[in-house]
Amino acid sequence: GAGVSQSPSNKVTEKGKDVELRCDPISGHTALYWYRQSLGQGLEFLIYFQGNSAPDKSGLPSDRFSAERTGGSVSTLTIQRTQQEDSAVYLCASSLGLAQLEQYFGPGTRLTVT
Amino acid sequence: SQQGEEDPQALSIQEGENATMNCSYKTSINNLQWYRQNSGRGLVHLILIRSNEREKHSGRLRVTLDTSKKSSSLLITASRAADTASYFCATARTSYDKVIFGPGTSLSVIP
Repeated sequence: GAGVSQSPSNKVTEKGKDVELRCDPISGHTALYWYRQSLGQGLEFLIYFQGNSAPDKSGLPSDRFSAERTGGSVSTLTIQRTQQEDSAVYLCASSLGLAQLEQYFGPGTRLTVT
Repeated sequence: SQQGEEDPQALSIQEGENATMNCSYKTSINNLQWYRQNSGRGLVHLILIRSNEREKHSGRLRVTLDTSKKSSSLLITASRAADTASYFCATARTSYDKVIFGPGTSLSVIP
């Protein structure tokens, strides 16, 4: 059984460009989470989905960040007009359901904004 | 603001010794989890303890929870070089709430 996958694994972009990060959760997992981790830091919560809906978007740093999930499966995190402070590793995780608290993490996307 | 804070920030021990890491949090919680992150395997769930539990074991791991002090500890016994990693505590206020991670403890186990 495949784990959580994320693409691309690395992304280098110029300041001001838009980027899309993709997450494929484990099949059957209804809950999906996005986090951001800066070098040597802990995880910063961004947003989570239960099915296709996002009950809590409070972690999104600014209105340049948005996320969607379709078909209760794949999720896309979009960052518009990227800034250098957006450089980080973006991690996605999924769980069987919100109350199934063990989260399975993907390998992350390392975003570098130049 | 972060819910959990690990202590110490960094810990270095000899192989075979025990390692203890602590996590303090600010508000009431439903559960607390510990995760490990190393370069080889990414973030991996270790153990979950619920607010009505005081202690849980999993292999060489022992987790305690003291809700009166709003703190938890993770003990790794008979450490191995492969235990070298960052360890994070993560808390949730309810079983349906978002999980908030602390900044982590960096553990180095010297062979």
